[in-house]
Amino acid sequence: NAGVTQTPKFQVLKTGQSMTLQCAQDMNHNSMYWYRQDPGMGLRLIYYSASEGTTDKGEVPNGYNVSRLNKREFSLRLESAAPSQTSVYFCASSERPFSYNEQFFGPGTRLTVL
Amino acid sequence: AQTVTQSQPEMSVQEAETVTLSCTYDTSESNYYLFWYKQPPSRQMILVIRQEAYKQQNATENRFSVNFQKAAKSFSLKISDSQLGDTAMYFCAFIYGGATNKLIFGTGTLLAVQP
Repeated sequence: NAGVTQTPKFQVLKTGQSMTLQCAQDMNHNSMYWYRQDPGMGLRLIYYSASEGTTDKGEVPNGYNVSRLNKREFSLRLESAAPSQTSVYFCASSERPFSYNEQFFGPGTRLTVL
Repeated sequence: AQTVTQSQPEMSVQEAETVTLSCTYDTSESNYYLFWYKQPPSRQMILVIRQEAYKQQNATENRFSVNFQKAAKSFSLKISDSQLGDTAMYFCAFIYGGATNKLIFGTGTLLAVQP
């Protein structure tokens, strides 16, 4: 059981470049989430998918798009990267959306936009 | 607006001692859930303990326990017999079953356990 996996672990982009962060979970969870973590600000929700086939905006969705490819995979795309998107990105999953259920987190992707 | 406040950016404790991390939250909801997550230097977020608001009994998980004061909107984490492996960033988080429910995190407390 790998839990939640994310690729890549590190990435450096130039302003205006695009990239996709990949996330997969092997726990048969229904819900998946993308967060960003910035110094002094805790984690903030970018997008989430309550169940396969649905996606919704979180607290800070501007500049991002997501795709729930299937039950296992949930990707985050930056179409035109900006320095303000320099952050650590975490994917998480849970059995049900936003409940007492524990959210399981991936190891994170450290993204730097120059 | 729902908010979570952790007023201690950094704390230090000696190995084997007890330390308490504070967390306060603001909500008008009556039913909600509270969590403490740990983020060690490896960055992997791990659930430490959770509490349902309607339960008066404080949650405990081995050396970790909470002091949940619903009226005061306070949810502190007590770590007993601190170990070097407890060194990490600790995040308090809150969720409620509203229309726009989401997990709201505090800004974290960096705990250093000294040998």
